[in-house]
Amino acid sequence: EVQLVESGGGLVQPGGSLRLSCAASGFTFSSYWMSWVRQAPGKGLEWVANIKQDGSEKYYVDSVKGRFTISRDNAKNSLYLQMNSLRAEDTAVYYCARDGHGDYGPFDYWGQGTLVTVSS
Amino acid sequence: SYVLTQPPSVSVAPGKTARITCGGNNIGSKSVHWYQQKPGQAPVLVIYYDSDRPSGIPERFSGSNSGNTATLTISRVEAGDEADYYCQVWDSSSDHKVFGGGTKLTVL
Repeated sequence: EVQLVESGGGLVQPGGSLRLSCAASGFTFSSYWMSWVRQAPGKGLEWVANIKQDGSEKYYVDSVKGRFTISRDNAKNSLYLQMNSLRAEDTAVYYCARDGHGDYGPFDYWGQGTLVTVSS
Repeated sequence: SYVLTQPPSVSVAPGKTARITCGGNNIGSKSVHWYQQKPGQAPVLVIYYDSDRPSGIPERFSGSNSGNTATLTISRVEAGDEADYYCQVWDSSSDHKVFGGGTKLTVL
């Protein structure tokens, strides 16, 4: 059974940093692109970033470029999102999602999400 | 950047057919995926590559895509189908994944 479990969310002040983790199991993690998708309170879904199987390609939504870094550790079956210079508008539930093909493919499995709140 | 437009809400009586649209410039040339999200839960993939259904998704869910509009169709709607639905594509010009704004399906 495919499982994605996020952790690392919490309350952080504007300008602060946070590192999210996603533990994957039930599939060959190193064979799939992976993504982070977020959802602000009461709002829709927004893709944040994705990363190729070997970490050699990474893409970001414009609003987080230069502030967020996606990474992975295939030996640990884990995906990460380092978030720096956080802003109030980054407040959201952050989901880890398996990104089948990295381009035209769907997000076929999702974690339950971890809440990030940016507030003073 | 590529924009996907969905109606904010759709209402339908139980047993009837609901159609949720997703508009985009020449969206018919792209692969469209649809997600269902119930309150407090993570999204679930219900249609991928325009019209394919993942295992476990009822046959009542179907999809089509042509021209500037993709459509998610839910036949014989049930109370349990009440949820937010999102369409999604990959924008090859930016290498970005894009979601529509979402449609709240209300079962009357």
